[in-house]
Amino acid sequence: GAGVSQSPSNKVTEKGKDVELRCDPISGHTALYWYRQSLGQGLEFLIYFQGNSAPDKSGLPSDRFSAERTGGSVSTLTIQRTQQEDSAVYLCASSLVPGVPTDTQYFGPGTRLTVL
Amino acid sequence: KNEVEQSPQNLTAQEGEFITINCSYSVGISALHWLQQHPGGGIVSLFMLSSGKKKHGRLIATINIQEKHSSLHITASHPRDSAVYICAVNPGAQKLVFGQGTRLTINP
Repeated sequence: GAGVSQSPSNKVTEKGKDVELRCDPISGHTALYWYRQSLGQGLEFLIYFQGNSAPDKSGLPSDRFSAERTGGSVSTLTIQRTQQEDSAVYLCASSLVPGVPTDTQYFGPGTRLTVL
Repeated sequence: KNEVEQSPQNLTAQEGEFITINCSYSVGISALHWLQQHPGGGIVSLFMLSSGKKKHGRLIATINIQEKHSSLHITASHPRDSAVYICAVNPGAQKLVFGQGTRLTINP
């Protein structure tokens, strides 16, 4: 079966532009996560969706970042007025079992965002 | 201080050597994960554990909850094991908190 997919794989944009990054989780997975990996930095949590519950947005670095998940499946991470420090690889992950805090997460290939 | 610390940051070894990567954490957790990130960037979950020890092929992961410490061992290491190994914890929530990673290079 298909794994987690993300698009685009690479995105180059100019400072100040808005970007949208897409994640298609594994079919049937109810939990979806966004993470960021900046150059030379470790991974950091951004946002988590679980079913119809309110998302955990505690990792979003500023109000320029937002995400939505439509129909409990596809998710879009939007960055408004991009800054150079937003350059990073944005990773999406999904997991199967709701309410199980230790379920294995399956990662997508990531979107490499470069802000010029 | 990071909530999750890994050591060493970089490790180079010869093929066949026994490898140990360590992870210490400072928060209460519901589970600890070991992840592998290959040079192409893809991340694969190797282990998820909340107690004891797990083994998969040449990989062994252990955790000591009282000491807040976990180790990842690789037996009979091979150049294809070269990757970044990342320790991550669930701090009582769904999200993961990550260590900085250990870059492992196995030379033939």
